[in-house]
Order: sequence, then C-alpha cells, then structure tokens
Amino acid sequence: KQEVTQIPAALSVPEGENLVLNCSFTDSAIYNLQWFRQDPGKGLTSLLLIQSSQREQTSGRLNASLDKSSGRSTLYIAASQPGDSATYLCAAVNGGSQGNLIFGKGTKLSVKP
Amino acid sequence: EPEVTQTPSHQVTQMGQEVILRCVPISNHLYFYWYRQILGQKVEFLVSFYNNEISEKSEIFDDQFSVERPDGSNFTLKIRSTKLEDSAMYFCASSKDRFNYGYTFGSGTRLTVV
Repeated sequence: KQEVTQIPAALSVPEGENLVLNCSFTDSAIYNLQWFRQDPGKGLTSLLLIQSSQREQTSGRLNASLDKSSGRSTLYIAASQPGDSATYLCAAVNGGSQGNLIFGKGTKLSVKP
Repeated sequence: EPEVTQTPSHQVTQMGQEVILRCVPISNHLYFYWYRQILGQKVEFLVSFYNNEISEKSEIFDDQFSVERPDGSNFTLKIRSTKLEDSAMYFCASSKDRFNYGYTFGSGTRLTVV
C-alpha cells in the first residue's frame, strides 16, 4: 500500500532564502507525482506535475524533481517570498489505479519578511 | 482560468441527517473526484467518477455515501445519515485525463456534524 511522507512537517525561513521540501513514497510504481499548495481554509492549487518518465519540472521559481528508484521527490523554491507561506502537499498517482491521488500530510512553510 | 465550484462553502448538520454537497467541475473535464480532509490529517481519496459511473472508491466510501452527475454540469456527493466523524473539509476535483494532466480542485465544503 502506497505511503507518502513529507519532511519536515513545518519550516520557517527568512525572505529571500532558497529552500527544499521533501517527499518520499514507498511504492515506486507511480504514474506521476504532483505538488500542490494549500492556503488556510482553502482548496488545493496544483503547482507541478511530474510524469514517471521525467526527472524534473519547472514553473517560475519552483522546480520539482523525481527519483523513482529511491522513492523521492523534492520541491525547490528559489528566492522565497512571504506570499509563498502555505502548506505544500505532494501526492502520488499509483500505477494500476484509476488516477486517484495519495497525499502526504504536507509541509507548512512560513516565510518571514 | 476555469474553476471548480463547490457549494455550500460551509454546512452544519445534525447527526443522522442527510447532506448533499454540490460541485460544478470544469466543463471539458471527464474525470471527477471527491476527497476529504479531516482537520489536521491528510487529504484522503473517496471516489472517482467517469463516464457516468464510479471508477474507483476507497474503503471510506461505504453505503452511506453516493455520488451522482444528475445533469451535464453538476456532480454531487450525498451522505445519507451523517455521523460526527464525517465532519471534514470535502473537496471536489476534476481532470481532463487521469494521468497526464493535473487536477483542478474546488475550494471545498466544510461539513460540521453536531
């Protein structure tokens, strides 16, 4: 059974710092891995999707990498801003599934001005 | 940017009552999902829906739950007899494709069972 874990659970950094959020998954037979942002009391906003055949995806200041063999993904945020403060969730789509996402618990990021 | 719309944003109901949570997915999406998030816990998959039928459901999605797409635009989740433990944020999501496109999530319905 797929388990997705995110470390750390919370992270506080000063504005301008580059940072890395970690995600690990136990079953490497995934179709893709997705990163989301969740603001308090709000829905989930899709940030990046990495297919199982890809190594990384970039969008603006965000870069996500995927290493299937080691069961890891990282989300790199460059030059962090206070507006980046949110909870970041990673989620895997298992091979053999109908596309449902299996989520980690998230990393709560706080960027201090 | 197209959105997934969920109503109501917050619903309070008494234990044992039926509730219907409503969602309007993005119009050209084919796959529809319900997820829930109990306060402080992970987002959990409930059910996926494609071609007017359930394609997959989790063990959470028991006989108390049902989904329907009554017309070309709405997608509903019904909980027949609510329990205290059903209190959670319920998210609807849709996608063009199961594996090659990301999901679009709605902003959620906070269900409180008292």
